[in-house]
Amino acid sequence: AQSVTQPDIHITVSEGASLELRCNYSYGATPYLFWYVQSPGQGLQLLLKYFSGDTLVQGIKGFEAEFKRSQSSFNLRKPSVHWSDAAEYFCAVVGGGNKLTFGTGTQLKVEL
Amino acid sequence: DTGVSQDPRHKITKRGQNVTFRCDPISEHNRLYWYRQTLGQGPEFLTYFQNEAQLEKSRLLSDRFSAERPKGSFSTLEIQRTEQGDSAMYLCASSPATAAYTGELFFGEGSRLTVL
Repeated sequence: AQSVTQPDIHITVSEGASLELRCNYSYGATPYLFWYVQSPGQGLQLLLKYFSGDTLVQGIKGFEAEFKRSQSSFNLRKPSVHWSDAAEYFCAVVGGGNKLTFGTGTQLKVEL
Repeated sequence: DTGVSQDPRHKITKRGQNVTFRCDPISEHNRLYWYRQTLGQGPEFLTYFQNEAQLEKSRLLSDRFSAERPKGSFSTLEIQRTEQGDSAMYLCASSPATAAYTGELFFGEGSRLTVL
């Protein structure tokens, strides 16, 4: 069965600093991978997705992620973090029936 | 249509009571999903529908849980004889089911259940 691991439960960065959130997946075939963001009181919002092709994918809000098959990773990055980026971030992989399997999430805190 | 809507947003109940949550998906989406999210965890799949057919149920969905989508539009999730362990956020999501489509789900804001 597919699974994702997010090794960092909490991350704190200063506003303007760069960000990298880690995600490792386990899946037998070529995975379809996603990053979602969940802000307090709001629904999960898709940041970006990887299906195939270019391994560096661009998303909304200035986020990007790189798929590395050799490392089974799909890390999320942002060159300069804004205070409004503080939220919880979930990596997910899709399996049969379009079901998403989520990681446990990384809580991002941004220091001003 | 502005997105997936869920009702109620919050529900506090006593142990042993029944509760029902409603989800209205994006109108043109024929797939509807229910997830459960507990504190410190990612959302966990419960069940999904394609139109009115319930195609899969997770083992997390005990006999006390039942979900319906009678006309292929809105869905309800009922929990009977609630237990404190049922306290969680219940998320609904929808997506289209076009042939080659495997992609994003559109989530509602969730229904938070607290069982006292």
